[in-house]
Order: sequence, then C-alpha cells, then structure tokens
Amino acid sequence: DTGVSQNPRHKITKRGQNVTFRCDPISEHNRLYWYRQTLGQGPEFLTYFQNEAQLEKSRLLSDRFSAERPKGSFSTLEIQRTEQGDSAMYLCASSGLFSAGGNEQFFGPGTRLTVL
Amino acid sequence: SQKIEQNSEALNIQEGKTATLTCNYTNYSPAYLQWYRQDPGRGPVFLLLIRENEKEKRKERLKVTFDTTLKQSLFHITASQPADSATYLCANNQAGTALIFGKGTTLSVSS
Repeated sequence: DTGVSQNPRHKITKRGQNVTFRCDPISEHNRLYWYRQTLGQGPEFLTYFQNEAQLEKSRLLSDRFSAERPKGSFSTLEIQRTEQGDSAMYLCASSGLFSAGGNEQFFGPGTRLTVL
Repeated sequence: SQKIEQNSEALNIQEGKTATLTCNYTNYSPAYLQWYRQDPGRGPVFLLLIRENEKEKRKERLKVTFDTTLKQSLFHITASQPADSATYLCANNQAGTALIFGKGTTLSVSS
C-alpha cells in the first residue's frame, strides 16, 4: 500500500455544477477524514468516518456538501451547485483506531478545486 | 472556542542554525499536540506528537516541547538544511478525532 490516494488531483468547474472527489485510504485504517485548505491557512475539518459511519460533521459542511463511505473503504465528497467560495484544496486523511494513542493522520495529496 | 495560533507566518534562517517555531493554544487543554510538515501542493506529513504529560519529544534533528503553564509548544529543527524549507503546521486533537490546525509557519533555510 502506497498511502492515501485522491482523485482527481485537479478539478476546474463552472459555478453551479456538481463535483465529486474520491479518497482511497490506507487499507487497514478505519478512520477517514475530509479537510479543506485555502491559501495561507491550515486545513479545516469537514467530516470524519469510522468505518462506514459518519460520526462528525463541521459547521463548514453546508447542505450542498455530502460525504459517503460505503462499506467502510473508499470515500466520496460531493459538492452540489458549486460556488466560487468552494475553490480550495480538499484533503483526505486516514488513521488507525489506536495509532500512537494520539491519532496521527496520514494525508493524501489533495484535490485542488477551482470554481470559475 | 478552541484556538491554535502559530505566531510567525514566515521564518528565514541560515543553514546550520536551529529553527524554533511556536504554537500557542487558548481556551482549552489539548490532550495531544502534533506537528506536520507541508510542501507546496502536497498534503501534510506527520512529524511528531507530544502528549500533555510529556515535556519533550525528540526525533533525529527534531525536538518538540510542551509547556502547559505557558499553553505553548515549541518545535525545533537543529542543524537546519535547505531541504527543511517547508510550511510547518501545529495541530491538536482532543478526543482522537478531528485535528484543529494552526495557520502554519513557512520556514526558509538559505545556504
């Protein structure tokens, strides 16, 4: 296993269109996280899954955003009716349940979204 | 609300010197503080984790300290090299779930 992968790496879309991103975590990791990062800022938490259950959602995750993790493996993040303010890097991370007792996370390379 | 602050947006040092980056937290007591490195266009990479009952943690040229009285963590890179140039992020997780990140400090090491 070579780590967390994300597809696509880049996405350019027009305002109002829907987009979907995919994340494949490290295979033995049962926790999966989505973050959003804009220029000059640290990553901001969006949502996280333990196995297939979505356990926490940030207030940043408006009703235009939805995330799934069917069967507790890969995850998808969909943004409906995209807005220019959605332009950002979307990062996925995974971790094992008892990794180091402090939950260090392994990040993918991110999907850069540009909304025109 | 929980807040993590990294006071310096940028730090420029010469090769061979020790880089010291600061992370302050307010309004809570984190169980763990973590430090990540991020290169342009890439995801963060985990470096070190320190628990609230630990004063110091080391890994090769890296050292992290945790002062619960000052509500501060310091991250040191000794004998810095140009390859250490990157953005360094401080993060906290309370309940082992989502990380709360600072804005990061961009370190530039010149030869």
